[in-house]
Amino acid sequence: EVQLVESGGGLVQPGGSLRLSCAASGFTFRNYWMSWVRQAPGKGLEWVANIKQDGSEKYYVDSVKGRFTVSRDNAKNSLYLQMNSLRGDDTAVYYCANMINGYWGQGTLVTVSS
Amino acid sequence: QAGLTQPPSVSKGLRQTATLTCTGNSNNVGNQGAAWLQQHQGHPPKLLSHRNNNRPSGISERLSASRSGNTASLTITGLQPEDEADYYCSAWDSRLSAWVFGEGTKLTVL
Repeated sequence: EVQLVESGGGLVQPGGSLRLSCAASGFTFRNYWMSWVRQAPGKGLEWVANIKQDGSEKYYVDSVKGRFTVSRDNAKNSLYLQMNSLRGDDTAVYYCANMINGYWGQGTLVTVSS
Repeated sequence: QAGLTQPPSVSKGLRQTATLTCTGNSNNVGNQGAAWLQQHQGHPPKLLSHRNNNRPSGISERLSASRSGNTASLTITGLQPEDEADYYCSAWDSRLSAWVFGEGTKLTVL
């Protein structure tokens, strides 16, 4: 059974940092590009970042470039998102996803507020 | 990044047929097609159709996806109450090197 389990969300002040993690199982993690997708309260889905199988290529939505960093550890079947200089409009549920196969985690809520 | 265009809402009666549309351009939908996702309130998205219009195992045969040019469509026949949800399309944009989503269509089953 495929599982993607996110963790690391929470309440953070504007300007603060958080690191999200995603533990993958049930498929060969190292063979796939992986993504982070977020959904602000009451809003639609927004792709945030992508990382290639070996971590050599990374892409980001314009609004997070220079603030967020995606990484992975294939030995641990894990995906990460380091989020710095957080802003109120970063408040969202963050999903870890294998977009090619349509595997999604349950999401972790990040709230940026003072 | 520019997204895909979906109608905000569609309403159909029980057991009727609904067709949802998703319009992009030659860099995304017209290039590699669009996937379709269903999301019920408070739940993560669920894949209904791959970009090649194939259904994952376990997805009802009442759902079918297709594409014509830069527009993808999802047709749901014999609408049931559980089909009431938000539906999103997604596609890889080769020019932007980004996944793009539609804004979502809220399907109401009357």
